Amino acid sequence: EPEVTQTPSHQVTQMGQEVILRCVPISNHLYFYWYRQILGQKVEFLVSFYNNEISEKSEIFDDQFSVERPDGSNFTLKIRSTKLEDSAMYFCASSGTGLSGTQYFGPGTRLLVL
Amino acid sequence: GENVEQHPSTLSVQEGDSAVIKCTYSDSASNYFPWYKQELGKGPQLIIDIRSNVGEKKDQRIAVTLNKTAKHFSLHITETQPEDSAVYFCAASIDTGFQKLVFGTGTRLLVSP
Repeated sequence: EPEVTQTPSHQVTQMGQEVILRCVPISNHLYFYWYRQILGQKVEFLVSFYNNEISEKSEIFDDQFSVERPDGSNFTLKIRSTKLEDSAMYFCASSGTGLSGTQYFGPGTRLLVL
Repeated sequence: GENVEQHPSTLSVQEGDSAVIKCTYSDSASNYFPWYKQELGKGPQLIIDIRSNVGEKKDQRIAVTLNKTAKHFSLHITETQPEDSAVYFCAASIDTGFQKLVFGTGTRLLVSP
């Protein structure tokens, strides 16, 4: 069964450093999402992406964040200058179609900012 | 914006019992309500979903009910098994093409043998 994959599974970085989280969505999917989950809290929407542009973003997704689909398979989330409060689990999701499209989540990248 | 409340935060049942988790939502425009199961260290996995044009949906031991008037929906698990132990999240979205899922706070279900 096709699945969303994410790398790395864990990332430790120093405050102020840039990190790039990578995702490979399900191959025929068109809609891509990033969510985050701070330890013990609920999953929060960050951004949705379609047709090579952001379709919606949350208040969390400020100028330090960016997303990109650099090729036909990868979808990346970049945090330019990490802060302690960026420590969380980051999930990528994809869906085949927007309408009636179930979102399938990857296993996540646990980011720890020291 | 949409806000989703979920109760209870923890639920302990004996194997074979039923478990019910309830969610309420605030935005009457929401029309898509998925339920996700999250096991330790893994991403959320969809277990069942319902759209606002139906009131109930069932898949083997799992069922979801939706009351649009009251703006609440519930997950029902019958004949619970230890492998059902996980955190369950409800979510709501307006299905217009881009599903920005708004999640509830999660319910930790523990099924004891």
